[in-house]
Amino acid sequence: DTAVSQTPKYLVTQMGNDKSIKCEQNLGHDTMYWYKQDSKKFLKIMFSYNNKELIINETVPNRFSPKSPDKAHLNLHINSLELGDSAVYFCASSQSGLGLNEQFFGPGTRLTVL
Amino acid sequence: KNEVEQSPQNLTAQEGEFITINCSYSVGISALHWLQQHPGGGIVSLFMLSSGKKKHGRLIATINIQEKHSSLHITASHPRDSAVYICAVIYGNKLVFGAGTILRVKS
Repeated sequence: DTAVSQTPKYLVTQMGNDKSIKCEQNLGHDTMYWYKQDSKKFLKIMFSYNNKELIINETVPNRFSPKSPDKAHLNLHINSLELGDSAVYFCASSQSGLGLNEQFFGPGTRLTVL
Repeated sequence: KNEVEQSPQNLTAQEGEFITINCSYSVGISALHWLQQHPGGGIVSLFMLSSGKKKHGRLIATINIQEKHSSLHITASHPRDSAVYICAVIYGNKLVFGAGTILRVKS
């Protein structure tokens, strides 16, 4: 059973398009996260939701909008895609918020914007 | 300058060697995480620390809060340990990652 799953695994799209990445966790965790890993493999947190409530919202263009329909799902919608959005996006979850809680990562979604 | 600095950036070792990866940070933290990213891209959490030392199999993580420094040690290294090791610190409501250390263990 996959603990944290993301779809799609690969996403290739044109500049200007709108796309979504879905994330689901079956661990019963309260907190979910979105991370971006750039071409230099540098990881950066984008958002965190705790029980469907936004608790971390780093400096991210407002073209990126997270949506959490329930605490097991945290989707990432991106409007008007730009070349610089090309990256690997990881979803993760933890029992509760940041701190001494182990995070479980999804397999990543490689987004390529042409 | 990033709040989190890792060294070395790249490390090549022979199988069986003892390996140390360092993480220094410049802020007061509540916790520090060590992560492993496999060559295939998957990320696994190794340790979460706020003080002292933790051990899991051949991996040992230590943290010195006063010196703002953590180390990840791998004993009896093996080619399957080849991966990127990433340090991340938590302070306030922020999570900041180091740039990672690329480890290659040769047989």
